[in-house]
Amino acid sequence: EAQVTQNPRYLITVTGKKLTVTCSQNMNHEYMSWYRQDPGLGLRQIYYSMNVEVTDKGDVPEGYKVSRKEKRNFPLILESPSPNQTSLYFCASSLRGRNEKLFFGSGTQLSVL
Amino acid sequence: AQSVTQPDIHITVSEGASLELRCNYSYGATPYLFWYVQSPGQGLQLLLKYFSGDTLVQGIKGFEAEFKRSQSSFNLRKPSVHWSDAAEYFCAVGARSGYSTLTFGKGTMLLVSP
Repeated sequence: EAQVTQNPRYLITVTGKKLTVTCSQNMNHEYMSWYRQDPGLGLRQIYYSMNVEVTDKGDVPEGYKVSRKEKRNFPLILESPSPNQTSLYFCASSLRGRNEKLFFGSGTQLSVL
Repeated sequence: AQSVTQPDIHITVSEGASLELRCNYSYGATPYLFWYVQSPGQGLQLLLKYFSGDTLVQGIKGFEAEFKRSQSSFNLRKPSVHWSDAAEYFCAVGARSGYSTLTFGKGTMLLVSP
């Protein structure tokens, strides 16, 4: 089944403790992206990747890192999480770019205490 | 940079009634336009998209949207709402060139009453 898989589904952590949210897609998509969703703000793009080893900042990249060493994986790294990064995170992918149909993961609810 | 406005935060519609969700965008030319739906606890799913050509676009689940250049709008419609349509709906706009991000609106929560 074609899908985008995020893990974990829920995560509670403390300020400053490094964490990684994994994202994997099995559709051979070139484009992958991370969004955060906050009440009243909708979805905001954090980082995106057009292909392996090609990443770029979205609208709200501060405090986040990404890497794209393999086509299928696009992990989101918070090296020193802070409470303002408490949010619902979504990974998405598409065949070639942002203007094609995006396939979304089920989301990761992160709480930073 | 482009922007999207969804003026209605919540809308309540009776089951079987018609639905229209509003979306206005700001962009210097004709953008790519999308509607996504998010059911509770789920990721977003594409309902429909407009790239060019016919300004009335048909999507999945009986939805349609009309692109109106003069009004910078891309409103989503459905003639008869079902209880399963209760969800949050997001309009999104993408530039036709360059590497700018896909910009989402803040969403409209649809409630369906019996």
